[in-house]
Amino acid sequence: LAKTTQPISMDSYEGQEVNITCSHNNIATNDYITWYQQFPSQGPRFIIQGYKTKVTNEVASLFIPADRKSSTLSLPRVSLSDTAVYYCLVVFTGGGNKLTFGTGTQLKVEL
Amino acid sequence: DVKVTQSSRYLVKRTGEKVFLECVQDMDHENMFWYRQDPGLGLRLIYFSYDVKMKEKGDIPEGYSVSREKKERFSLILESASTNQTSMYLCASSLERVGRNTEAFFGQGTRLTVV
Repeated sequence: LAKTTQPISMDSYEGQEVNITCSHNNIATNDYITWYQQFPSQGPRFIIQGYKTKVTNEVASLFIPADRKSSTLSLPRVSLSDTAVYYCLVVFTGGGNKLTFGTGTQLKVEL
Repeated sequence: DVKVTQSSRYLVKRTGEKVFLECVQDMDHENMFWYRQDPGLGLRLIYFSYDVKMKEKGDIPEGYSVSREKKERFSLILESASTNQTSMYLCASSLERVGRNTEAFFGQGTRLTVV
């Protein structure tokens, strides 16, 4: 299983763009990159998933370079309510779908 | 709306008790998962199941067992609860065993305290 590495914490201010990078050097062909968000006292919530290049939805964008050894979650114009822990997962889609979370990145957004 | 329901939000048990944590999903999902979450350690996978009566060990299965007799229900069992099993327990489900849909849905969690 591909191991992921992401920063432990990040700080930002309201209105700024936040980019959280995750490295996954041993990602395999059938692996997809998935990001989750977790607020205090709640279970994680799926944000976005991608395989390569760029994926965008109403919440975030996900940038994946050609070698797929890293990925960047981009949150445009963050607000206080984006303060949360963000997890990067590499999910094997060839069978099993084991979801392994790490320690995530604690994002703190201030005024 | 998608729903994963855990039977208790808070639970206090004594050391040595057998503890059952129940999780039910109403989405006909194939995969179900149990995690525990502790400060500084993130979410750690205890067990998961991809079909009825099937189970796979996660990263920290010691001291736990699971049961999946029906597709919608996945139970986590602490055979003899110990204080180091005090934690937040989270259940999740996802649709497919094989495929590109990797979105998982989580329950609200059960905060278990073993005294």
